[in-house]
Amino acid sequence: DTGVSQDPRHKITKRGQNVTFRCDPISEHNRLYWYRQTLGQGPEFLTYFQNEAQLEKSRLLSDRFSAERPKGSFSTLEIQRTEQGDSAMYLCASSRRGTTQYFGPGTRLTVL
Amino acid sequence: AQSVTQPDIHITVSEGASLELRCNYSYGATPYLFWYVQSPGQGLQLLLKYFSGDTLVQGIKGFEAEFKRSQSSFNLRKPSVHWSDAAEYFCAVEGYVGIQGAQKLVFGQGTRLTINP
Repeated sequence: DTGVSQDPRHKITKRGQNVTFRCDPISEHNRLYWYRQTLGQGPEFLTYFQNEAQLEKSRLLSDRFSAERPKGSFSTLEIQRTEQGDSAMYLCASSRRGTTQYFGPGTRLTVL
Repeated sequence: AQSVTQPDIHITVSEGASLELRCNYSYGATPYLFWYVQSPGQGLQLLLKYFSGDTLVQGIKGFEAEFKRSQSSFNLRKPSVHWSDAAEYFCAVEGYVGIQGAQKLVFGQGTRLTINP
């Protein structure tokens, strides 16, 4: 059990650019979650996958955001035409059905 | 809708002193409750969880929490804090979203713990 990993750990980009983050869940965890955490706040749910199916998207996830989980393994979160308001920590978590969510170290995004 | 309130944004205690971090939740059914800890710039580490059974749950690093249904609370305690306990602490309740009942965690705002030497 190597834990949830995320890449990159930090990303600095200019407004209007596209960015993509990757999350590798704990092996055999069929559920994968994305959360966003802004400064001084708790994480907020963005979206959720069960295997390769994206079952739920928060209203926080605008049309500029897209997430995928091909083959039910790793997941990517892409933000198109980034805005300064997208600056946040993006956290990935995984779990087996009905069990605890385990979090990765997060990707810190700074949009200049 | 589920919600979590952590009334204390920042708490300072002396090393060796006891600690209690407050958490109140709103949830219609029997809640699944969690405490996570986050060091600066890091992800979240699970301290402990309550699913059912004994209302006093033990976690890692000497932490414990007590579920009190009548008060809708799940306060975190530690009898003697160490300088390494300085971090942000988040209480969370597990809820369900959407027609497919997808699980999600609803977090409180967090409590920042500072330890005085």
